[in-house]
Amino acid sequence: AQKVTQAQTEISVVEKEDVTLDCVYETRDTTYYLFWYKQPPSGELVFLIRRNSFDEQNEISGRYSWNFQKSTSSFNFTITASQVVDSAVYFCAGRSASKIIFGSGTRLSIRP
Amino acid sequence: GAVVSQHPSRVICKSGTSVKIECRSLDFQATTMFWYRQFPKQSLMLMATSNEGSKATYEQGVEKDKFLINHASLTLSTLTVTSAHPEDSSFYICSARGPPRGIYEQYFGPGTRLTVT
Repeated sequence: AQKVTQAQTEISVVEKEDVTLDCVYETRDTTYYLFWYKQPPSGELVFLIRRNSFDEQNEISGRYSWNFQKSTSSFNFTITASQVVDSAVYFCAGRSASKIIFGSGTRLSIRP
Repeated sequence: GAVVSQHPSRVICKSGTSVKIECRSLDFQATTMFWYRQFPKQSLMLMATSNEGSKATYEQGVEKDKFLINHASLTLSTLTVTSAHPEDSSFYICSARGPPRGIYEQYFGPGTRLTVT
């Protein structure tokens, strides 16, 4: 069985602050993939990143960065210098069998 | 990247009627398709997985007689909500994946918002 935990239900920060969204993935498999998706009010999922379990290098894409630590099963997502357009629900997801399962999501609000 | 479409994007139906939602992979052959349901302010819950030409595998707690899934071709899967009730109102999202040696990534459709009155 696999489980994705996003402990933060809602986060609200002022624009330009940095914010980190936490994710913990539990599985018995040694090979798995982790994902982050953004879901704006329109509902359509926006793919942000995929990471496999053998790659623990941090990744940076513009203002976004991801930190994967296999020892703690965490795959955290940081937005630097947040902007109002970053407001959305963010889902962490994992795949170790053939299907992707999602965490409960974190609703991020960026205040001007 | 690969594109998955859904039709309709929104549908309103009366209680007791059936509604069909289509999911298409536009530029790749989807050997596997997934259907998710998302209630307001909740996460996406996997309903079922279907392989082309085979019966769908439903997750625990999902009524297979109520949510009929057909995956008759490599580019089309349909979800039919039979005898819909207001509690079936939800956001339904499909996802498609190609064969292991092809497009093995899972791509998501834009979703269909179903409202049952």
